[in-house]
Amino acid sequence: NAGVTQTPKFRILKIGQSMTLQCAQDMNHNYMYWYRQDPGMGLKLIYYSVGAGITDKGEVPNGYNVSRSTTEDFPLRLELAAPSQTSVYFCASSHRPDTQYFGPGTRLTVL
Amino acid sequence: QKEVEQNSGPLSVPEGAIASLNCTYSDRGSQSFFWYRQYSGKSPELIMSIYSNGDKEDGRFTAQLNKASQYVSLLIRDSQPSDSATYLCAVQGSGSSNTGKLIFGQGTTLQVKP
Repeated sequence: NAGVTQTPKFRILKIGQSMTLQCAQDMNHNYMYWYRQDPGMGLKLIYYSVGAGITDKGEVPNGYNVSRSTTEDFPLRLELAAPSQTSVYFCASSHRPDTQYFGPGTRLTVL
Repeated sequence: QKEVEQNSGPLSVPEGAIASLNCTYSDRGSQSFFWYRQYSGKSPELIMSIYSNGDKEDGRFTAQLNKASQYVSLLIRDSQPSDSATYLCAVQGSGSSNTGKLIFGQGTTLQVKP
């Protein structure tokens, strides 16, 4: 059981580039989440999904897009990267709508 | 804007002491409360959940909830250097639109000194 996996672990982007952060879980969880964590701060919810085909915005969705075509995968797309998107991105999943299990994170720097 | 507030610290305690971490929240209708531990450079890990007023104990950890005061705390007894981490308080917002959505505080950094 791998739990929640994220790729890549690290990435440096130039301003205006795009990329997709991958997230997968093998626990058959319906709920999946994307957070960002800036230095010294808590987690901010970007997008979440309650099942395949269903996604919704969190607190800070601007500049990001998601899709959920399968139960297992929940990729996060960054279009036109900006320095303000420099952060650590965590994906999480849960069976119940509260107990969330986090992936190892992706450290993104936009220069 | 629903908020969760924590003192960022650092909170420094000697080894073997009790560490007390506090959290307040603004959404009076919240029913579910969580404590996550995050070691430096790692992802958050759930250590405690609490849903009812009062205390909930799990090993050296005790979560305390007071909904009337909108206050939740985490006590760590016999603190060890391995407890040194950032502790994040999380609250599930009320209402059907907030099902499954957690609001996190900024975290309190705990340092346990040998």
